[in-house]
Amino acid sequence: AQSVTQLDSHVSVSEGTPVLLRCNYSSSYSPSLFWYVQHPNKGLQLLLKYTSAATLVKGINGFEAEFKKSETSFHLTKPSAHMSDAAEYFCVVSQWGGYNKLIFGAGTRLAVHP
Amino acid sequence: DTAVSQTPKYLVTQMGNDKSIKCEQNLGHDTMYWYKQDSKKFLKIMFSYNNKELIINETVPNRFSPKSPDKAHLNLHINSLELGDSAVYFCASSQDLKADSTDTQYFGPGTRLTVL
Repeated sequence: AQSVTQLDSHVSVSEGTPVLLRCNYSSSYSPSLFWYVQHPNKGLQLLLKYTSAATLVKGINGFEAEFKKSETSFHLTKPSAHMSDAAEYFCVVSQWGGYNKLIFGAGTRLAVHP
Repeated sequence: DTAVSQTPKYLVTQMGNDKSIKCEQNLGHDTMYWYKQDSKKFLKIMFSYNNKELIINETVPNRFSPKSPDKAHLNLHINSLELGDSAVYFCASSQDLKADSTDTQYFGPGTRLTVL
């Protein structure tokens, strides 16, 4: 069975400083991993996804994530936070070759201060 | 053009009522989904349909009945609404039934259901 654990429920950074949102996964199979973002009262937007190609995945808005199989991690980073990055971020796993069923982490709320 | 749309955006109703949420996608995808996001922001899949056929049913109560008139639409009907049904319901779609390297689920804006 697949699962994801987001290690921080809240992260607070200052504008212009780096962002790190941590995610560990558990999967019996080769996982597909995603990061989705949800801005307040909005829907879910795909930031990036890993599907067994390059381990460093670049997404939209300057975000990237690195797949580390040895650490079963898929942490999301951004070099410099912007006020508009304040949102809820979800790490998600989907089973490779199985039905396209997304399993969500509990989410990390990112706050960005001026 | 909106890729995945849902109506209504907000729905406030009394316990015991029956209500429906509609979802439409114009991406030409074959598979559609319903997810529920609870008050703690936790998201969980409820159903998936592929070409109008039910594929995933995550032990959702029988009061919830998805209906897919065609592959571009997946509606969610809820009977005898309960307080615990209050949540945000998201519709999503993807091209493929099975997870693979090229597939992504695209989400609608959500429907906030409040049961009083």
